[in-house]
Amino acid sequence: EVQLLESGGGLVQPGGSLRLSCAASGFTFSVSPMNWVRQAPGKGLEWVSLITSSGATTYYADSVKGRFTISRDNSKNTLYLQMNSLRAEDTAVYFCAKVAAGSGSDYWGQGTLVTVSS
Amino acid sequence: QPVLTHSSSASASLGSSVKLTCTLSSGHSSNIIAWHQQQPGKAPRYLMKLEGSGSYNKGSGVPDRFSGSSSGADRYLTISNLQSEDEANYYCETWDRNTRVFGGGTKLTVL
Repeated sequence: EVQLLESGGGLVQPGGSLRLSCAASGFTFSVSPMNWVRQAPGKGLEWVSLITSSGATTYYADSVKGRFTISRDNSKNTLYLQMNSLRAEDTAVYFCAKVAAGSGSDYWGQGTLVTVSS
Repeated sequence: QPVLTHSSSASASLGSSVKLTCTLSSGHSSNIIAWHQQQPGKAPRYLMKLEGSGSYNKGSGVPDRFSGSSSGADRYLTISNLQSEDEANYYCETWDRNTRVFGGGTKLTVL
């Protein structure tokens, strides 16, 4: 059974940093591209970032480019999102999602809440 | 980059059928999309991959009541024999070489 478990969310002040983790199991993590997707309170889904299976290539939404860094450790089956220079508008539930080639985000974690507020 | 536009919110009676629409922007009408369901307070759940030809592949455990079809730039999700648990927001997703996009979602109410 595929499982994705996010952690690391919490309350942080504007301008602060936070690192999210996503522990994966039940599939071959090292061959799967992975996404971060977020959802602000009462809003829809917003794609944040994608990393290829090897970690060699990363992509970001314009709204987070230069502030967020996606990475992965295939030896630990873990995905990360380093978030710097956080803003109030980054407040959201952050989901990690496995990407199936040509099929979209086919498995999702339960999400972790990030609140940026003073 | 592609843009996805959902049909407005929908409502339908228990046991009936409903067809939700997601429209791809100009220049992206051949894109493959994915449909996701998000029940209140829960994480999204992958329903299916849907191609421009109308061919679709459902995710693990998705009931037979869910099906997909396509016409031009429109991608449809049809839910038959509506159940109370189908009340949810439904999102489409697509991608190109270096970005992924979600539509704004459609809220489905089961009466």
